[in-house]
Amino acid sequence: DGGITQSPKYLFRKEGQNVTLSCEQNLNHDAMYWYRQDPGQGLRLIYYSQIVNDFQKGDIAEGYSVSREKKESFPLTVTSAQKNPTAFYLCATNKRKGTEQYFGPGTRLTVT
Amino acid sequence: GESVGLHLPTLSVQEGDNSIINCAYSNSASDYFIWYKQESGKGPQFIIDIRSNMDKRQGQRVTVLLNKTVKHLSLQIAATQPGDSAVYFCAENMGDAGGTSYGKLTFGQGTILTVHP
Repeated sequence: DGGITQSPKYLFRKEGQNVTLSCEQNLNHDAMYWYRQDPGQGLRLIYYSQIVNDFQKGDIAEGYSVSREKKESFPLTVTSAQKNPTAFYLCATNKRKGTEQYFGPGTRLTVT
Repeated sequence: GESVGLHLPTLSVQEGDNSIINCAYSNSASDYFIWYKQESGKGPQFIIDIRSNMDKRQGQRVTVLLNKTVKHLSLQIAATQPGDSAVYFCAENMGDAGGTSYGKLTFGQGTILTVHP
């Protein structure tokens, strides 16, 4: 069953704690992306990776970190430096530039 | 910076009507455009895409029109059904300026489509 898996679906954390969101894909896509979505808003790019062991900052990378040790996995860590971490986080992949991105089901993170 | 935006934040239609959702973009270097549908609490779902060397593309019940002269993109949904109710996003992919824009999409704010039975 091919696709993108994000876990967990809902995540709750206390302020000041780091938290890591999981994204796994078995589509054999080279590129992976992390987006953040706030209520009533569009998607904003946090980080993206075109190839294993390489990644670039997106438009709102401050307070976040990523790694790409395997083609299938692109975990996102929301650090305590992120001022407003409560949001819906979406992972996406695509095969190459200029093709559609496929999205995972998302993780809703709530920090109190 | 340049951005993608939508003319109408909400659209209400009757079941069976045709729907048109509009999107304005300002980056003339964009070479690829996508429409996504997002249902509440879920990830966006690909609907249709179009490249800048085309002005029209049709799918099943959907048509995307691209007008590069006025930098305008539209999504037409024929015979709209209650299951089409969702938020619709347009997104653009800039051209390969400096090779740094691999796959990067810029999303608009979204239009809420509500279909009444």
